[in-house]
Amino acid sequence: AQTVTQSQPEMSVQEAETVTLSCTYDTSESDYYLFWYKQPPSRQMILVIRQEAYKQQNATENRFSVNFQKAAKSFSLKISDSQLGDAAMYFCAYSYAGGTSYGKLTFGQGTILTVHP
Amino acid sequence: DSGVTQTPKHLITATGQRVTLRCSPRSGDLSVYWYQQSLDQGLQFLIQYYNGEERAKGNILERFSAQQFPDLHSELNLSSLELGDSALYFCASTAGATSREQYFGPGTRLTVT
Repeated sequence: AQTVTQSQPEMSVQEAETVTLSCTYDTSESDYYLFWYKQPPSRQMILVIRQEAYKQQNATENRFSVNFQKAAKSFSLKISDSQLGDAAMYFCAYSYAGGTSYGKLTFGQGTILTVHP
Repeated sequence: DSGVTQTPKHLITATGQRVTLRCSPRSGDLSVYWYQQSLDQGLQFLIQYYNGEERAKGNILERFSAQQFPDLHSELNLSSLELGDSALYFCASTAGATSREQYFGPGTRLTVT
């Protein structure tokens, strides 16, 4: 079974600084997707960024970028120029694209990010 | 706004009761996924439907069931409720049978007293 581990229960960053959230996963599959979701106090789950396992290039979305290390099964999220609105719980998630999993997401435990003004 | 709607937003009920949570996927999306978020278990996948058919099952209790209707909305039925069923229930939708990315509804907060 696939597992996703976020080893940092909490992180903090100063506004305008950079922070990196860690995620590791375990799978025997070669074709899968990885995601970072943000859950602000409103509880809405918001997709931040997506990475396809077959792509070597790291995904980037504005101030958000990932460091995808397939061999190490590591998928970290870097937030640059942190803003107060980035404060939230961040979840790393895995999805296997084939077989009978049909895209269900397996989530990590989450990391609470605090942004200090 | 993800385009996925869930009703009700909040639900308070007593142990032993039965409730129905409703989800309407984004326009054009055929897949609906249900997830449970609780303090004890974190975020867990419950069940997936694609175009009216059950496609995948996760850690869904036998007291829970779901279905997807011809208009593609989905309902999650929770029966014989226990205190431990108190959680935030999300549905998410995506266009195909497998998802590159899922769009989540705002969730239904269930409190069992």
